[in-house]
Formats: sequence, C-alpha cells, structure tokens
Amino acid sequence: GDSVTQMEGPVTLSEEAFLTINCTYTATGYPSLFWYVQYPGEGLQLLLKATKADDKGSNKGFEATYRKETTSFHLEKGSVQVSDSAVYFCALTPSGGSYIPTFGRGTSLIVHP
Amino acid sequence: SQTIHQWPATLVQPVGSPLSLECTVEGTSNPNLYWYRQAAGRGLQLLFYSVGIGQISSEVPQNLSASRPQDRQFILSSKKLLLSDSGFYLCAWSESGGSPLHFGNGTRLTVT
Repeated sequence: GDSVTQMEGPVTLSEEAFLTINCTYTATGYPSLFWYVQYPGEGLQLLLKATKADDKGSNKGFEATYRKETTSFHLEKGSVQVSDSAVYFCALTPSGGSYIPTFGRGTSLIVHP
Repeated sequence: SQTIHQWPATLVQPVGSPLSLECTVEGTSNPNLYWYRQAAGRGLQLLFYSVGIGQISSEVPQNLSASRPQDRQFILSSKKLLLSDSGFYLCAWSESGGSPLHFGNGTRLTVT
C-alpha cells in the first residue's frame, strides 16, 4: 500500500536558520503531494501542494518540489522564525480518484530566538 | 468561502458514558468527510470517511461509529466510552479524491 516517511523529530533550530524536513513516499502512479502544518492545540492547515512531477509548491516562504525520480517532497525554508514552531505533516492522495489520503507521522519543529 | 465547524472544543467524559461529536461544513456541496484521531505522539489515525449521505466507511473497527444524516453534517458517536478513546479528534472535508483536506479545530476528549 501507499506510505509516507518523514524524518524523526523534533527538529530544533535557531531563528533565521535554514530548514529542511525530509519526506519520501511510496505509491503507484502519480499521487498528489501535500504539506500540512499543525500549531499547538489546533487542527491541520494546508501549507502547500504539488500535483505532478517537478511541480514546486510554495507558501509563506516554505517550498517543496515533487521529485518523481527520488519519490521525495522535502520541505524547505530559507530563514525560520519562532512562529514557525509547529508540527509538519507530509501527505499524499493517490491518483485514480481514491478518497483516502496517507499521512506521515509528523515532524515537530522548535525554533528558538 | 468554505468553512468547517467542529464542536465541542474540549470534553471530559466518564468511562461508560455516551459520546457525540458533531462536524458541519458550509459553502460546498457533497464534500468527502473524514474523522481522524490523533493520540499523543502526533500521528493521525483515520477512523471513518464518507463520500455521500448515508455512506460511511470504517477504517478501524472499534468502539466508535459515524453517521452522515445530512450532506454537510458528520457525527462521531459512541455508546460507551473507554479510557482508550481519549485523544484529539479531527473532522476534515475535501472536494474530491486527490484534493487537499481542510480540517476543523478539533475536539480534545478526555475519558476519566
């Protein structure tokens, strides 16, 4: 079946540091890929998405590129802020009209001033 | 624009009591609806999903049930809560297969 693997956290960074959170996936066909963010005590929010190979999703300074050849969708940000502290989830929805997304286990990011 | 409402935000219930969590979506029609549980440790567990009124698929057999009495209403229920039912329950909707999910703010359930 489909699966999403994220790097284990927590990831701890100082403000203005560069962020990478790795995400790799296993799926047949051409899934759509997503990053969601969850702030403490809240539900998940869509951060960015990419629907085909080589697409780059971006939002709020975060970027991720759909790499079919390496089955990856790594999340990056050039300069993190304390307000970026949250849990980040990588997810996919399979091609072919399936309704069931697959989520990674989440990576906690802690940014210190 | 579309919005999702989920309530209550927090709930403390004794073991053996019933449960009803409600979720409604506004601004769209015939959404796909989902119930997730998030235990400590952050991972998301899909409990139920629905692609239409009266159509419920269960992903994990357990002490919970779900119903969709109206197009944009999704209800999570239990007749008798267990301690292991404690967790953070999230409702979500999507427009179609392959679309991103939009989540509610969640219900923190503590079973004592």
